[in-house]
Amino acid sequence: QEKVQQSPESLIVPEGAMVSLNCSFSDSASQSIWWYQQHPGKGPKALISIFSNGNKKEGRLTVYLNRASLHVSLHIKDSQPSDSAVYLCAVSYVGDNSKLIWGLGTSLVVNP
Amino acid sequence: DPKIIQKPKYLVAVTGSEKILICEQYLGHNAMYWYRQSAKKPLEFMFSYSYQKLMDNQTASSRFQPQSSKKNHLDLQITALKPDDSATYFCASSQQLGGRSAETLYFGSGTRLTVL
Repeated sequence: QEKVQQSPESLIVPEGAMVSLNCSFSDSASQSIWWYQQHPGKGPKALISIFSNGNKKEGRLTVYLNRASLHVSLHIKDSQPSDSAVYLCAVSYVGDNSKLIWGLGTSLVVNP
Repeated sequence: DPKIIQKPKYLVAVTGSEKILICEQYLGHNAMYWYRQSAKKPLEFMFSYSYQKLMDNQTASSRFQPQSSKKNHLDLQITALKPDDSATYFCASSQQLGGRSAETLYFGSGTRLTVL
């Protein structure tokens, strides 16, 4: 059974800090890895995805994927109070791209 | 304006009753999904539809029945409700069902169901 594990469970940082979130997945047959942001009372919102080994940058977000170690990380530069949310890692697998396997999330609080 | 509308936002039901959760999407997408989010559990895939056709069903129970009356509608009927069904149910959509690579999912704000 595929599994997605995220760390840390929660994180509190001051405004302007660099935030690093981690995600490990259990199967090298993974396709794409996604990061979603979820604010209280709202549905998840897609932030960034990565397929190939290496890194991908979009605005203040950078994601790093290492397939050999089955690990992906999300880095948020210059964090803002509006970044306070739960960050969910989701993985799609070969042959079943319509179904994502999700982690439990990391709760981020950015203090002004 | 929300592009995926879920109704109601909150729902309280008694054990054994039946409820229908409504979902309409105005993104022009061809694939729709239901996901469930329970406390202390990861988001859980339930169903996927493509062009109003059921493509995948990962729920173990036949008490959960999706219904697609129109291309942009995917309702979820839940019968014989149990307290364990208490969760937030999210409807989502994507342009197409994931093919060679997964599609971006767009979520509604969810229906929070409490079964007493």
